[in-house]
Amino acid sequence: DTGVSQDPRHKITKRGQNVTFRCDPISEHNRLYWYRQTLGQGPEFLTYFQNEAQLEKSRLLSDRFSAERPKGSFSTLEIQRTEQGDSAMYLCASSLGSGRTLGEQFFGPGTRLTVL
Amino acid sequence: DAKTTQPPSMDCAEGRAANLPCNHSTISGNEYVYWYRQIHSQGPQYIIHGLKNNETNEMASLIITEDRKSSTLILPHATLRDTAVYYCIVRVLYNQGGKLIFGQGTELSVKP
Repeated sequence: DTGVSQDPRHKITKRGQNVTFRCDPISEHNRLYWYRQTLGQGPEFLTYFQNEAQLEKSRLLSDRFSAERPKGSFSTLEIQRTEQGDSAMYLCASSLGSGRTLGEQFFGPGTRLTVL
Repeated sequence: DAKTTQPPSMDCAEGRAANLPCNHSTISGNEYVYWYRQIHSQGPQYIIHGLKNNETNEMASLIITEDRKSSTLILPHATLRDTAVYYCIVRVLYNQGGKLIFGQGTELSVKP
């Protein structure tokens, strides 16, 4: 399967613990995005990378959140000192960063985080 | 990016056409209309996009009014698998890195 993959699919953690999620984009895609989605809402943009450079971060991304894409391939999203309000689906998407395909983002299945 | 308005929910009979409306009265000349859908417990899926001409692909048709203030996504023969939340997004092609700004969408229920 050559789609976007995310790991783990589900994560349950206790408040105060750190968690890390991984996203593997489609191999030729140079843009990678992270979104967060809470129940009943549309996805909200968190951050994006072009190759290994993180070019934009949403105000939603507090200092407890950090994302990396060290070699311009896979990306990780870490949440430190998790809070119950962090419970959500974390979605990763990738796209080719050119032309009409900029808006055609391919999403992974998401990682559902539950903070107890 | 311009704001969009969609009905919160719609029903459609299986085999019939599903017509999902979207209002984007403040759209500007360089903004495209994109449609995504999200089936329960999955990530969103790109459907189609257009600027001013009607567009068709293997999934759907997109009809944009002449004044571009509204559009309709048409699923010509809806199946039960088309039950999903459909998002209409208006954005400049080269906006701030290409991020998508999702609204609440329309929850389409296709019924047998």
